[in-house]
Amino acid sequence: GESVGLHLPTLSVQEGDNSIINCAYSNSASDYFIWYKQESGKGPQFIIDIRSNMDKRQGQRVTVLLNKTVKHLSLQIAATQPGDSAVYFCAENNNAGNMLTFGGGTRLMVKP
Amino acid sequence: ETGVTQSPTHLIKTRGQQVTLRCSSQSGHNTVSWYQQALGQGPQFIFQYYREEENGRGNFPPRFSGLQFPNYSSELNVNALELDDSALYLCASSLETGGETQYFGPGTRLLVL
Repeated sequence: GESVGLHLPTLSVQEGDNSIINCAYSNSASDYFIWYKQESGKGPQFIIDIRSNMDKRQGQRVTVLLNKTVKHLSLQIAATQPGDSAVYFCAENNNAGNMLTFGGGTRLMVKP
Repeated sequence: ETGVTQSPTHLIKTRGQQVTLRCSSQSGHNTVSWYQQALGQGPQFIFQYYREEENGRGNFPPRFSGLQFPNYSSELNVNALELDDSALYLCASSLETGGETQYFGPGTRLLVL
């Protein structure tokens, strides 16, 4: 079946560095993608989203890039802070718009 | 905080029992989706309720059922609990169905012994 997945299960970065978390998706018909952050013991927290008519979208310290040609999504976090340590999930909204398909997650560890 | 609340926060049941989990959606949101998250994995879609009707279902057996009430709060019921049902159950609400951002609650941690 079609699914969303992630390349790296764990990413360790130094505080202050930039982080890049990658995600591959296989449903070429998907038109809406979301990044969530999940801290231990909490529910996923919305970070940023992007629709398929865009290639790039920026938020506060975060940028999402979408490459539809290779079906690739990335999340860039600028000046990574210890509070950014968490598991990050990309999610894909299906055509009917009622279901999110999540990847397995990438754990981001920020070293002080 | 998203304004989505869930109860209880933790629950322990034994195999064969039944459980009901509750979710209150964010103010103004008429759509509630339920997900199961096993340890170390991403959430898996169970089903969605939109205006009190089921609006899509994932690959879960019929012993997983739900309800949505006129105030848009929702329940997830699981009958004949199995050990593999142990997971974090997440509720997410959205303004509408169809490509709207889903905002998650803190989840209910269910342990089946």
